[in-house]
Amino acid sequence: EPEVTQTPSHQVTQMGQEVILRCVPISNHLYFYWYRQILGQKVEFLVSFYNNEISEKSEIFDDQFSVERPDGSNFTLKIRSTKLEDSAMYFCASRLAGGRGQQGDTQYFGPGTRLTVL
Amino acid sequence: DAKTTQPPSMDCAEGRAANLPCNHSTISGNEYVYWYRQIHSQGPQYIIHGLKNNETNEMASLIITEDRKSSTLILPHATLRDTAVYYCIVRRRSNDYKLSFGAGTTVTVRA
Repeated sequence: EPEVTQTPSHQVTQMGQEVILRCVPISNHLYFYWYRQILGQKVEFLVSFYNNEISEKSEIFDDQFSVERPDGSNFTLKIRSTKLEDSAMYFCASRLAGGRGQQGDTQYFGPGTRLTVL
Repeated sequence: DAKTTQPPSMDCAEGRAANLPCNHSTISGNEYVYWYRQIHSQGPQYIIHGLKNNETNEMASLIITEDRKSSTLILPHATLRDTAVYYCIVRRRSNDYKLSFGAGTTVTVRA
């Protein structure tokens, strides 16, 4: 069964450094998402991406964050200058397409990248 | 998106059915009920979703009341591997389809 993959599984970085989290969505999916979960807290939406553009972003997704689909398979989240409070699990998700509650509406999540900022 | 209310935790005996309630009294006509679960900080796993009819798949059944103000997720034969946080999410059909997770219900399946 196709699945979303994410690398690395754990990233440790120093405060102020740039990090890039990588995701390979399910191959024929068209919509891509990043969420994060700070330890012990809720899963929070960061950004959605479709047709090489951001379609929605949350307040968390400030100028320090960017997303890119550099090729036909990868979807990346870059944090330009990490802060201690960026430490969290970051989840990538993808879905096929829209349509009336059908399976294309369903988002499938990757296993996550644990980011630790020291 | 409509707000959902779930009990913070519940226990279930292995092999028995687990019935997880969710209230969404402010749901509107174009909003779907989605259920996901998260096993120990892994990525959320899709379980099932529905609009107004009851739904069943290989993982679970979803019962939505006629007025759509509440729903119940049923795991027919709970196993220890079903121990997880279960999220009931009401999602509006829109272009972006973002999911808003609450605190969910922590379900512990006991042997």
